[in-house]
Amino acid sequence: QKEVEQNSGPLSVPEGAIASLNCTYSDRGSQSFFWYRQYSGKSPELIMFIYSNGDKEDGRFTAQLNKASQYVSLLIRDSQPSDSATYLCAASANFGNEKLTFGTGTRLTIIP
Amino acid sequence: DADVTQTPRNRITKTGKRIMLECSQTKGHDRMYWYRQDPGLGLQLIYYSFDVKDINKGEISDGYSVSRQAQAKFSLSLESAIPNQTALYFCATSDGINLAGDTQYFGPGTRLTVL
Repeated sequence: QKEVEQNSGPLSVPEGAIASLNCTYSDRGSQSFFWYRQYSGKSPELIMFIYSNGDKEDGRFTAQLNKASQYVSLLIRDSQPSDSATYLCAASANFGNEKLTFGTGTRLTIIP
Repeated sequence: DADVTQTPRNRITKTGKRIMLECSQTKGHDRMYWYRQDPGLGLQLIYYSFDVKDINKGEISDGYSVSRQAQAKFSLSLESAIPNQTALYFCATSDGINLAGDTQYFGPGTRLTVL
């Protein structure tokens, strides 16, 4: 069974610091990976996706992928109180041909 | 206007009642999904459809059924609602094209309470 694992948290980070969110996956065949942010009671919204080993940056967000270690992370620089949310990691086995497997999410709290 | 809409947004019903949740999308995506979310359990896939003629069970399909009426519409039914189906339900879509084709776009959710 394909699994995506995340630490449920809560993870508390001071405002202005770097928040680091981690995710591991069991299916070595997984090809693409997604990070979603979900505010309480709201729907998940895509932050970014990554499919190549290494780093991918978008504004204050950096996704990191290490396929050898089956590990994906999301870094949030200059954390803001508005970043307080649950972050969901998801993986897909084949480009455009698979449903996503979601982790249970990590709850992040930014402390002012 | 929202690309993925769900109706109703909130619903309270009684045990044993049949209830339908509806999802519509204007994104032109072929693929649609139904999830439920319980506190601390993440998103659980109920059913998914990769095109109008394709319906597949997800992880937790027991007690649920779906209908894909058109590319833009995907409905979820609870034939006889029970209290442990109380949850937040999300519809999502994806286009299945290219490297980002599995990106899913979510509707606003339906909060269902079964008494």
